[in-house]
Amino acid sequence: GAGVSQTPSNKVTEKGKYVELRCDPISGHTALYWYRQSLGQGPEFLIYFQGTGAADDSGLPNDRFFAVRPEGSVSTLKIQRTERGDSAVYLCASSLTRDSNEQFFGPGTRLTVL
Amino acid sequence: AQTVTQSQPEMSVQEAETVTLSCTYDTSESNYYLFWYKQPPSRQMILVIRQEAYKQQNATENRFSVNFQKAAKSFSLKISDSQLGDTAMYFCAFMKWQGGSQGNLIFGKGTKLSVKP
Repeated sequence: GAGVSQTPSNKVTEKGKYVELRCDPISGHTALYWYRQSLGQGPEFLIYFQGTGAADDSGLPNDRFFAVRPEGSVSTLKIQRTERGDSAVYLCASSLTRDSNEQFFGPGTRLTVL
Repeated sequence: AQTVTQSQPEMSVQEAETVTLSCTYDTSESNYYLFWYKQPPSRQMILVIRQEAYKQQNATENRFSVNFQKAAKSFSLKISDSQLGDTAMYFCAFMKWQGGSQGNLIFGKGTKLSVKP
């Protein structure tokens, strides 16, 4: 079956612009995570959804970052007033349920803010 | 707060030989999982192996095995019979397990492994 997909694969934007990054989890997976991976670092947690609700958004760096999952499947990470420091690979992962211990990752979106 | 430390930024190994990647972690949690993920240049994170903290027996998956030392908070990965396709970044990760549900993954900074022919 299909794995986690993310679009776009790459996104280049200018400082101050708004961007949306999309994640399609594996069908039937109720748990969804967003991580950010800066150059030379491991991924860092941003936000976790269980179903439609954000169960833990403690990793979001500031209020320019927001994520939604309106129907409990596809999720969109939204970044307002982008800054050069937002440049990173944004990874999405999904799990079958909240009591699964394996997260399946997508290929990520590389965001470059000029 | 939990932390994961990988002290080897880069390592190399000859094809068919064995290599060990190090990982230490710090936590006050009693229930948790530990993972090794592989990230090739395609960026896709692939689970290599996982270990439940309550299990004393070290996990193995084909050529991959771990040495889990709970008291020392150490979790190393051994790759036997290294293959060219093992060339990738390897990340050690920690997951808290509480009330039967998972927490988010906490990653180390990674070790870049190069397998040489």
